[in-house]
Amino acid sequence: QKEVEQNSGPLSVPEGAIASLNCTYSDRGSQSFFWYRQYSGKSPELIMSIYSNGDKEDGRFTAQLNKASQYVSLLIRDSQPSDSATYLCAVNEGNAGKSTFGDGTTLTVKP
Amino acid sequence: EAGVAQSPRYKIIEKRQSVAFWCNPISGHATLYWYQQILGQGPKLLIQFQNNGVVDDSQLPKDRFSAERLKGVDSTLKIQPAKLEDSAVYLCASSLGRTIEAFFGQGTRLTVV
Repeated sequence: QKEVEQNSGPLSVPEGAIASLNCTYSDRGSQSFFWYRQYSGKSPELIMSIYSNGDKEDGRFTAQLNKASQYVSLLIRDSQPSDSATYLCAVNEGNAGKSTFGDGTTLTVKP
Repeated sequence: EAGVAQSPRYKIIEKRQSVAFWCNPISGHATLYWYQQILGQGPKLLIQFQNNGVVDDSQLPKDRFSAERLKGVDSTLKIQPAKLEDSAVYLCASSLGRTIEAFFGQGTRLTVV
């Protein structure tokens, strides 16, 4: 079992819809959780970070964390074609801060 | 603020040759990471430095890969000898601390033929 699991997709949503991306992790000691966006041929770009249970909103993005269920998600409201990319979930383990990435979910937003 | 700088952007070498990558992190960032990203996969951590000390190198193939960060600032990653399966993008990232979000450089795309 991988340490950080994401649905590979592809996930396709129409423009203006809500895209929901999910991630589960295996290490209960994980403390920091990040979502990165990666366009094809580019390097990952940080979108959101979340450290405590609950929701964190930033513009059209909302990250949700449930440590009891070892689950973190990213919601993208009013999806735009420019949101089409691969979304990577990253989890930092405890004090060492070792980052483990999932393999990403590819999102396509259709005009 | 300048971002993470990496060079070269692209490199093509033959198997069994050696190659080196360079990274200059964001100023003031104590933590530096080297990742390997194979097409279709997420980045895999190779080595993590805190200042000039190694925090984690458990996934670094030490028989062929080496990395250093001598003065706690810039870093080099070397592969010697290269194998076909080393073809990947090598990403450098830096962060202020070990549990804080990291920022990535543009990466070096390595092709081993």
